Amino acid sequence: SSELTQDPAVSVALGQTVRITCQGDSLRSYYASWYQQKPGQAPVLVIYGKNNRPSGIPDRFSGSSSGNTASLTITGAQAEDEADYYCNSRDSSGNLVVFGGGTKLTVL
Amino acid sequence: EVQLVESGGGLVKPGGSLRLSCAASGFTFSSYSMNWVRQAPGKGLEWVSSISSSSSYIYYADSVKGRFTISRDNAKNSLYLQMNSLRAEDTAVYYCARDLGVWEWLQFDYWGQGTLVTVSS
Repeated sequence: SSELTQDPAVSVALGQTVRITCQGDSLRSYYASWYQQKPGQAPVLVIYGKNNRPSGIPDRFSGSSSGNTASLTITGAQAEDEADYYCNSRDSSGNLVVFGGGTKLTVL
Repeated sequence: EVQLVESGGGLVKPGGSLRLSCAASGFTFSSYSMNWVRQAPGKGLEWVSSISSSSSYIYYADSVKGRFTISRDNAKNSLYLQMNSLRAEDTAVYYCARDLGVWEWLQFDYWGQGTLVTVSS
């Protein structure tokens, strides 16, 4: 299997742009998906595939990928975006699933 | 409305067994791969197991292989996780999640509310 690495914590000023990254060998072959999790709640899918947002996810959320790194960008961060963010993808074999360790986003 | 409702969690002693269930509604359950994902207290998400729509493909994380068994009953719109030889480190909230993804990406688009499993003597 392979691993996905995320920065443990990131902060952003209200209304500014923040990028959360996810690194791993499997990302050379597969796209990452991104999940938002607030305390006491189940994760919510925010970005999947090349750069797709599920219905109801604000367009300030976007995704990108380059080499072994996937990024989640929040353009104009809002107070309600404060949460933990996780990436996941298939592992290098294509059969298993891996999650990143998560990034705690603080909106200042 | 898509709903996933887990049940079966609780307190169990080390070495014991527990069977989790996930009742699905609001979609054609038999058409989707399903997953179990867990989260230990204060920790991140950890994938546990996946099962394809017809149960043809089943995979496990190394941490649970040989101890946990995933299964599904498409006639009952239900997903299961049989957990044996439980350890303290299996203590977590267990979520079931639907995967709408394709080969190039995963897409866990719906999650249940989770059920807490506590392994302690």
